[in-house]
Amino acid sequence: GQQVMQIPQYQHVQEGEDFTTYCNSSTTLSNIQWYKQRPGGHPVFLIQLVKSGEVKKQKRLTFQFGEAKKNSSLHITATQTTDVGTYFCAGHLRDGGYQKVTFGTGTKLQVIP
Amino acid sequence: DGGITQSPKYLFRKEGQNVTLSCEQNLNHDAMYWYRQDPGQGLRLIYYSQIVNDFQKGDIAEGYSVSREKKESFPLTVTSAQKNPTAFYLCASRKARNTGELFFGEGSRLTVL
Repeated sequence: GQQVMQIPQYQHVQEGEDFTTYCNSSTTLSNIQWYKQRPGGHPVFLIQLVKSGEVKKQKRLTFQFGEAKKNSSLHITATQTTDVGTYFCAGHLRDGGYQKVTFGTGTKLQVIP
Repeated sequence: DGGITQSPKYLFRKEGQNVTLSCEQNLNHDAMYWYRQDPGQGLRLIYYSQIVNDFQKGDIAEGYSVSREKKESFPLTVTSAQKNPTAFYLCASRKARNTGELFFGEGSRLTVL
């Protein structure tokens, strides 16, 4: 079945350093989304990427979707303590008339002040 | 207020007992999803439904059952056949069947003693 892997599993950075998490799918995706889960909370939607090679920015966050639509990345510039949490990618795969949403394994970000 | 309500928030059960987790949404969303989250792990898809009276197995459906008799409701039953049921369960919905962001409930934490 479809697998969505993320690396790294954990990342500790000093405040102000950059951070990147990578997402890889075993199958071609129709689109990909990114979510953030704060400690003790539930995942919250950040962004959706649809087109091959698409790049989107949200302030200090940059999201990319690979040309083959099988990988994606999230880059945070100059991390802040408010960036702490676990970042998940979610791959959307057409399965007949259905669309399955498979989450990646997540990257837990810790920012040291 | 519109949103997704999961109940109960915390649940303790003895081994061998079936448990039903409630998920209700008043967002008029077509699609609903159940995920399981274990410590340090990503979200794993249990079941999903894109329309009333229809649902599909996810990646870890064994030991679980669902129903979708009403658009607003998607209860999950954790049966005694589930070998390791202690986990955090998250319900999500989205407006369209095949696209759009997922909105999550606050989750239900099940502990089997």
